[in-house]
Formats: sequence, structure tokens, C-alpha cells
Amino acid sequence: AQTVTQSQPEMSVQEAETVTLSCTYDTSESNYYLFWYKQPPSRQMILVIRQEAYKQQNATENRFSVNFQKAAKSFSLKISDSQLGDTAMYFCAFSPYQTGANNLFFGTGTRLTVIP
Amino acid sequence: DTGVSQDPRHKITKRGQNVTFRCDPISEHNRLYWYRQTLGQGPEFLTYFQNEAQLEKSRLLSDRFSAERPKGSFSTLEIQRTEQGDSAMYLCASSSTGSSTEAFFGQGTRLTVV
Repeated sequence: AQTVTQSQPEMSVQEAETVTLSCTYDTSESNYYLFWYKQPPSRQMILVIRQEAYKQQNATENRFSVNFQKAAKSFSLKISDSQLGDTAMYFCAFSPYQTGANNLFFGTGTRLTVIP
Repeated sequence: DTGVSQDPRHKITKRGQNVTFRCDPISEHNRLYWYRQTLGQGPEFLTYFQNEAQLEKSRLLSDRFSAERPKGSFSTLEIQRTEQGDSAMYLCASSSTGSSTEAFFGQGTRLTVV
């Protein structure tokens, strides 16, 4: 069974500062994908960043980067130069590598508030 | 293309009634997923279609729930004899073939059972 744990229910950060959201997961799979999704208030979930487990290099997307520690099963998200539009729920998600479905297993989320 | 569309956005129903939700995926996507999100929780996988075939169902999908994707395009999720515990946001997502492809989500249907 796959589990994803986000231990920070809520976080806040000053505009233009940097914040790190934590995520740990548990799996017996050797190949898998990890994701961070953003869910703004009353809007659909959108993908922020994706990491393939077989890649050692940490993924980056503009102001968003991850710290992927496979042995520790840790996958944190760093948001640099935080903007007001970053205010949202952030979900860490796991997907086992399969040739069929890529079902996502989500954590409980971290509510991030960017303070002007 | 306008992305994944879900209808209705909100539904209030009395306990015991049946409800049906619709999802229109991105047109070229052959995979479609249903998730349920309760307050304070992350989405939980319910079921998955590849084209018109329902290939996987979660144990969360009790026999009161049924999903279809008759022509491999839009999908419906029906809940029979609704219970208060069914109150949740029902999310639909679609993706194209491939394990690493991004899933695009709709805005969801919020169901309230009174």
C-alpha cells in the first residue's frame, strides 16, 4: 500500500520569501513518480512539479524546486520568491510506475498563505 | 480546448435520492479518473477508464456507485441511495497514455447530502 504524509496542515510566508513544504511517503515500489499539485480556492487542481524516482537530479520549474531524498522517502517542495498567487492548498502525490493507470495517491495537503 | 469540464458544479440532494455527475475530459485524452475529496483531506482515487473500459475500481467505490464512459469520451458517475457520508467534492481528471503524463483536473462537483 502507498501512503503519503504531509505533516504541516498550514503554513504562511511573507511575500518574496522562501518556504519549504514537507512530504514523506511509503511504498515498496522501486519505480514511481512524485508530484506536487496546487489547488487554489474554488479552482481546479494544477500540477506544479513532477519528479521521476529513477532520476537523481531534483526537478525545478521556475520558482518551484524539490528536494527528493529517495532513501529517506522524502519529497519537499521549495517555493522561492513567494507571490500572492501562490496562496493555495498544496498536495503531495505519488503514482506507481505502471504501463496502465497512473492513479494518484495524495497526502492531506498543506494550506499555504502568502502574506503581503 | 477548455480543459476538463464537470457538471454540475454543486448538487444538494436529500438522503436516499440518486444523483449523477458528468465529466467531459480533454478531447484527445483516452484516460479518465474519478476522485473523491472530503473536507480537510486529499483526493482519493475511485475509478479509472482507458477509453470506454473501466480498468480499475477502488474499494471506496461501493455497490451504490457506478461509473460509465460509454463512447470513450465523457463519463458519468452515479450514486444511488445517497447517504450523508457521500457528501464530498467529486473530481474528474484526464490524461493521455503513458505513465508519466500529467493528469488534468476539472473543478469538481460538490455534493451535499441533507
